Amino acid sequence: GAGVSQSPSNKVTEKGKDVELRCDPISGHTALYWYRQSLGQGLEFLIYFQGNSAPDKSGLPSDRFSAERTGGSVSTLTIQRTQQEDSAVYLCASSLATGVGSPLHFGNGTRLTVT
Amino acid sequence: GQQVMQIPQYQHVQEGEDFTTYCNSSTTLSNIQWYKQRPGGHPVFLIQLVKSGEVKKQKRLTFQFGEAKKNSSLHITATQTTDVGTYFCAGPYAGGTSYGKLTFGQGTILTVHP
Repeated sequence: GAGVSQSPSNKVTEKGKDVELRCDPISGHTALYWYRQSLGQGLEFLIYFQGNSAPDKSGLPSDRFSAERTGGSVSTLTIQRTQQEDSAVYLCASSLATGVGSPLHFGNGTRLTVT
Repeated sequence: GQQVMQIPQYQHVQEGEDFTTYCNSSTTLSNIQWYKQRPGGHPVFLIQLVKSGEVKKQKRLTFQFGEAKKNSSLHITATQTTDVGTYFCAGPYAGGTSYGKLTFGQGTILTVHP
């Protein structure tokens, strides 16, 4: 079946502009995660959803970042007034559920470049 | 808060040599997962360990979970060029309402020289 789909795959934007990143998880997966990966670095947790609710938003770097999930499916990550330090690959992952026995399936990511 | 530390950050080996990466958590983990990310790719799930002292093998890869469930290791025997990539461990947050939050180690970047 189809994997996790993210769009766009690449996004170049000017500093100060808003961007919206989209994630379409695997059908039936209730948990959805957003991570950020800077060049050559590890995965920085941003937020996760269980269904449409986000129990943990502690990883969002600032109030310029927000995310929502509707219908227990598609999620969007919005970055307002982008800054150069926002440049990174934004990875989305989904899993059947949170907890034991639920590995994450990652999408190919959105590479965001802020000029 | 919970931290998952991974060492070494980099490992360069000759093809045929063994490789080990270690993962340590500041808190007890209910389970630990391992992922591999090829250059230019996204992380791909390798395995999950749940039980104290558990050992699992996948061909040349051996995964261990410590008795106290606070550390884990991945050992690759006789590395091949196809093993190149970054290996991450990840553990769920153990407390509060964030039990679904999966914290990743910094990763170990493995390069294999033919």
